[in-house]
Amino acid sequence: DTAVSQTPKYLVTQMGNDKSIKCEQNLGHDTMYWYKQDSKKFLKIMFSYNNKELIINETVPNRFSPKSPDKAHLNLHINSLELGDSAVYFCASSQGDQGPQHFGDGTRLSIL
Amino acid sequence: TQLLEQSPQFLSIQEGENLTVYCNSSSVFSSLQWYRQEPGEGPVLLVTVVTGGEVKKLKRLTFQFGDARKDSSLHITAAQPGDTGLYLCAGERPNTGNQFYFGTGTSLTVIP
Repeated sequence: DTAVSQTPKYLVTQMGNDKSIKCEQNLGHDTMYWYKQDSKKFLKIMFSYNNKELIINETVPNRFSPKSPDKAHLNLHINSLELGDSAVYFCASSQGDQGPQHFGDGTRLSIL
Repeated sequence: TQLLEQSPQFLSIQEGENLTVYCNSSSVFSSLQWYRQEPGEGPVLLVTVVTGGEVKKLKRLTFQFGDARKDSSLHITAAQPGDTGLYLCAGERPNTGNQFYFGTGTSLTVIP
């Protein structure tokens, strides 16, 4: 019954690798997001996406790319992982751009 | 400097005490949300305020949106250990699509 689910919950990998984090929502929402939460707990939006447009935070490196196979999924692909990518990544969804956001439980990414 | 600054950053109080958390900015927001995040989980929406001067109550929690829609406060009456968590405000800037900017966070610990 999980509303927004992310996999994996933990991801430990070597610098330079490519990895993906999956996100699925069963709420029927039309907008999905990816956030990065750093070690100081600061939550920063990376992408927001609905069936109309993708909005990219200009500070996000182009090594990060969202991929949406359908309305219920927004996966995050990361190329050439760097040490600074270590963080907790949260997926969220909402109905419309002003609706309340529902968050997944996060994926803790650790780069060795 | 972050768009939304929260204070205090950390707060440790005894059960039964009252507290106020502040969320301040020099920018105007279309709406402002408050979330609570517990360890290992994603943020959970508590409230959304839209109108300048608006006050909303959620049991022992009182939320206020500033008249100029640049700041907000969260007041907790008679805090309980279950209130422990990271409190985040998030503001929606006008004309930025569906991007929410999160505050710097307030980590609250309520000691039994």
